Amino acid sequence: QVQLVESGGGVVQPGRSLRLSCAASGFTFSSYGMHWVRQAPGKGLEWVAVISYDGSNKYYADSVKGRFTISRDNSKNTLYLQMNSLRAEDTAVYYCAKERTRGWKGFDAFDIWGQGTMVTVSS
Amino acid sequence: EIVLTQSPGTLSLSPGERATLSCRASQSVSSSYLAWYQQKPGQAPRLLIYGASSRATGIPDRFSGSGSGTDFTLTISRLEPEDFAVYYCQQYGSSPSTFGQGTRLEIK
Repeated sequence: QVQLVESGGGVVQPGRSLRLSCAASGFTFSSYGMHWVRQAPGKGLEWVAVISYDGSNKYYADSVKGRFTISRDNSKNTLYLQMNSLRAEDTAVYYCAKERTRGWKGFDAFDIWGQGTMVTVSS
Repeated sequence: EIVLTQSPGTLSLSPGERATLSCRASQSVSSSYLAWYQQKPGQAPRLLIYGASSRATGIPDRFSGSGSGTDFTLTISRLEPEDFAVYYCQQYGSSPSTFGQGTRLEIK
């Protein structure tokens, strides 16, 4: 079935780096834009970054621009989020999410979400 | 960026009742690119409605969405016990995509 599985979360000190992965299965990964969305403990949802189906377009929230990098490997059906210079306010559950429609139109609704991976930034 | 304001913050209703959740945007949402999600504790969000009024695959017809421009509504016609959760609206017509702060639907 269609599935997204995140990994790579953990506890990290402020200023350090972490890389999240999202393994996709059950659909043609290379045809869909993919996103990262985060949720701080007890808070709402915050969009983080998007990458187009072919990796040629990438956009970021202002809160992570210059520190986070989204990428994908379509040969491995895997999405990544490289997080550098981490701050306490980056503490959250990070979800990867699939766009509802094929191709690229900038933004779309998210029809499939992973279960999330927790990132805690603390000294 | 477009700010989405959801109301009420908490809605207390009983099973079988009708729920009406509101999402108001600070600017017009392009092409009604407005989605609704349901999130239960410890779970990822689930897409309910996209394009303001289209139900996602597998979503029961007791869920319906309406609205355009800056005012959108999610209606649950007859609440089932499994519907008590937090609901978020999202606009995806303008960059960056933004979410509302959520409405908690609790059992009265």
